[in-house]
Amino acid sequence: GAVVSQHPSRVICKSGTSVKIECRSLDFQATTMFWYRQFPKQSLMLMATSNEGSKATYEQGVEKDKFLINHASLTLSTLTVTSAHPEDSSFYICSARGRTGANYGYTFGSGTRLTVV
Amino acid sequence: DAKTTQPPSMDCAEGRAANLPCNHSTISGNEYVYWYRQIHSQGPQYIIHGLKNNETNEMASLIITEDRKSSTLILPHATLRDTAVYYCIVRILNTDKLIFGTGTRLQVFP
Repeated sequence: GAVVSQHPSRVICKSGTSVKIECRSLDFQATTMFWYRQFPKQSLMLMATSNEGSKATYEQGVEKDKFLINHASLTLSTLTVTSAHPEDSSFYICSARGRTGANYGYTFGSGTRLTVV
Repeated sequence: DAKTTQPPSMDCAEGRAANLPCNHSTISGNEYVYWYRQIHSQGPQYIIHGLKNNETNEMASLIITEDRKSSTLILPHATLRDTAVYYCIVRILNTDKLIFGTGTRLQVFP
């Protein structure tokens, strides 16, 4: 089945630094990737949608200059949290969607827990 | 955008069927219903999806009413490992987006 690998699973960083999170589709080509964030005891909130080779589309209220998304290939998307602050501490989850057939669904990564100190 | 309404929590005895309802009264004709679940601190796991017909796979069954305004996810024999938050999602027409609602926290007890 379709597998999405997300790395790292946990990261602690100092306030003011940047953190990069990787999302890879291991056995299929992902035409579209999605980034979500989730605060404790809350649901997933869609941050942005990215298509390979084009700029990401951000949801309302999400700062594109703070959350940089790069979708350089059909198997890799990255989310960089720039100048992180404690309020950016959250669970970040990516999702990838393939082209056709069994990979046409949405497969989620295992998430990255970011703690900014 | 079609939105979904789910009860915030449900309990189910181990070995019994868990029936999780979802209302999506504003759903459009070509919008799919997806079900995912999330076990604590993990990414969501795909369960099943459907458009009009009832669907069944190795994990669950999805029953969609004829008017498509509601659906029910059935876990035929719940186990303790089925304890999770279950999300019913209607994919937004003409987009690829999955917008999560608040979900149902299912607790399976021995």
